[in-house]
Amino acid sequence: EVQLVESGGGLVQPGRSLRLSCVASGFAFQDHGMHWVRQTPGKGLEWVAGISAKSDYAAYADSVKGRFTISRDNARNSLYLQMNGLRVEDMALYFCVNGRDWGRGTLVTVSS
Amino acid sequence: EIVMTQSPLSLSVTPGQPASISCKSTQSLLQSDGETYLYWYLQKPGQSPQLLIHEVANRFSGVPDRFSGSGSGTDFTLKISRVEAEDVGVYYCMQSKELPWTFGQGTKVEIK
Repeated sequence: EVQLVESGGGLVQPGRSLRLSCVASGFAFQDHGMHWVRQTPGKGLEWVAGISAKSDYAAYADSVKGRFTISRDNARNSLYLQMNGLRVEDMALYFCVNGRDWGRGTLVTVSS
Repeated sequence: EIVMTQSPLSLSVTPGQPASISCKSTQSLLQSDGETYLYWYLQKPGQSPQLLIHEVANRFSGVPDRFSGSGSGTDFTLKISRVEAEDVGVYYCMQSKELPWTFGQGTKVEIK
């Protein structure tokens, strides 16, 4: 059974940083590109960032470019999202996605 | 970026009756490899999205055969032949032909 388990969300002040993690199991993590997708009541589902299987390519939504960094550790079956300079509009439920499977998400709240 | 537009945005269906959701993209989703990267997800209340259909018409493992996908180019349809109570939730189409992945606004399906 495929499992994607996110962690690292929480309440943070605007301008601060947060690092999300996702631990994968049940599939060949090292062979798959991975992505972060976020969901808000107002904007629906929004793709945030993606990374290739061997980390040789990463891409970002314009809304987070220059502030967020996606990375992975295939030895640990783990995906990460370093979020710097957080804004109120980054507040969302963040999902780890392999294209077919989604984690349960981790909630990021940005508020002073 | 490719914009995905779903209709209707909400649907109230009598159990046993069919339902249909349309999804249109602003660009063709046919990739140079011959595949069309259009997906359908269902997000049940309180859950993360789950894959129903991949590459337009392929049911994901375990998805009941009352769900079917069709279409080509820029116009796509998800059909439920006989809606059941467990089918309630929000249905999303998504394109992964190019980054950023983009999603439709979602269609909320409820049971009458």
